[in-house]
Amino acid sequence: EAEVAQSPRYKITEKSQAVAFWCDPISGHATLYWYRQILGQGPELLVQFQDESVVDDSQLPKDRFSAERLKGVDSTLKIQPAELGDSAMYLCASSLAWTGRNNEQFFGPGTRLTVL
Amino acid sequence: AQSVAQPEDQVKVAEGNPLTVKCTYSVSGNPYLFWYVQYPNRGLQFLLKYITGDNLVKGSYGFEAEFNKSQTSFHLKKPSALVSDSALYFCAVRPFSGSARQLTFGSGTQLTVLP
Repeated sequence: EAEVAQSPRYKITEKSQAVAFWCDPISGHATLYWYRQILGQGPELLVQFQDESVVDDSQLPKDRFSAERLKGVDSTLKIQPAELGDSAMYLCASSLAWTGRNNEQFFGPGTRLTVL
Repeated sequence: AQSVAQPEDQVKVAEGNPLTVKCTYSVSGNPYLFWYVQYPNRGLQFLLKYITGDNLVKGSYGFEAEFNKSQTSFHLKKPSALVSDSALYFCAVRPFSGSARQLTFGSGTQLTVLP
């Protein structure tokens, strides 16, 4: 069964360092999402791509976070510099589309970030 | 703005008993509604969704959910709980149409099935 791949699974870094997370969506899925999930809460959308274009990045802290999906397939989320409050699980998801009936999102295993 | 409420942080049931995890929502217009399950240190797994049609939706692992438009609820149910169902469950909503189609999650309900 096709799955969303993410790496690394765990990342420990010191504050003010740069970190990057990678996501490979399910083949053929045009829409890709990055979420942040703080312990004890539901995921919150950071950025949404349709192919290589950003559809929604209204919740992305753009002073330190950036995301790209250059060829419309895999994607990278970067944080520079990391802050203590960035400690969370970062989840990537993909869907066939973001409109219409085939819009359920399939999630990867996540990257758990700890900022010391 | 849309929102989801999961009023119970924790639900405990005995194995073999029926289970219900509650969800209410607020959204402009008609909703898409989803249930996801999350096991420790894992991503979310899709369980089921409601689009239109029958108010009772059947999903994976024997779970089902009932859409109630008048009560704006979408409760998750299973007739006979298994210990392996113990996990964190999230309800989510997005509007059927409009420009803001972001998926909004509830805060989650920890389900514990006791042997």
